[in-house]
Amino acid sequence: DIQMTQSPSSLSASVGDRVTITCRASQSISTSLNWYRQKPGKAPELLIYSSSSLQTGVPSRFIGSGSGTDFTLTISRLQPEDFATYHCQQSYSTPPTFGQGTKVGIE
Amino acid sequence: EVQLVETGGGLIQPGGSLRLSCAASGFTVSPYYMSWVRQAPGKGLEWVSGINSGGNTYYADSVKGRFTIARDNSKNTLYLQMNSLRAEDTAVYYCARGGYVYYFDNWGQGTLVTVSS
Repeated sequence: DIQMTQSPSSLSASVGDRVTITCRASQSISTSLNWYRQKPGKAPELLIYSSSSLQTGVPSRFIGSGSGTDFTLTISRLQPEDFATYHCQQSYSTPPTFGQGTKVGIE
Repeated sequence: EVQLVETGGGLIQPGGSLRLSCAASGFTVSPYYMSWVRQAPGKGLEWVSGINSGGNTYYADSVKGRFTIARDNSKNTLYLQMNSLRAEDTAVYYCARGGYVYYFDNWGQGTLVTVSS
């Protein structure tokens, strides 16, 4: 199975900040990397697919990039609803695997 | 609007069985790869099982031989039969559209399964 590692595990930020989260795969996965936001007590929601494609309805402040083994999710200007946990997931091979999550908290 | 609604969770003793259901609306499940994904308390997401459009089924090693995924096209519903439950199966179970080599683009609200004596 492909292992996914996110960093940091948690961070603190303020509304309006620029935030970057990193995800690394244990082997090359091309651009088969997806990002999800999970608000407390809620289901995950798809933000970015195929490394950099914005899911319909997702605000443009979410920016994904990367290929091979290293990927980033950038939130250009953090909004109150963005205080949540973010998960990366590889869809290069089965079984699909997730990172351990990055919790974005209020500073 | 696409909607997935899970039911069937609850408190069950170790070794017991439980069946989860996921009723879909706003789309037809049969052409899609559908999955169950779980999240243990305070932990990350773990793919559990999937079924493709042809009815082929797939399982994580951690549940193989104990869980069975199924789909009823007439009811537009996905199921997860869970047998020989263990404490480590305690989690919120989500039904999701996607899996295999696809992203998960729609999720249900989740149903909590607690395995404890």
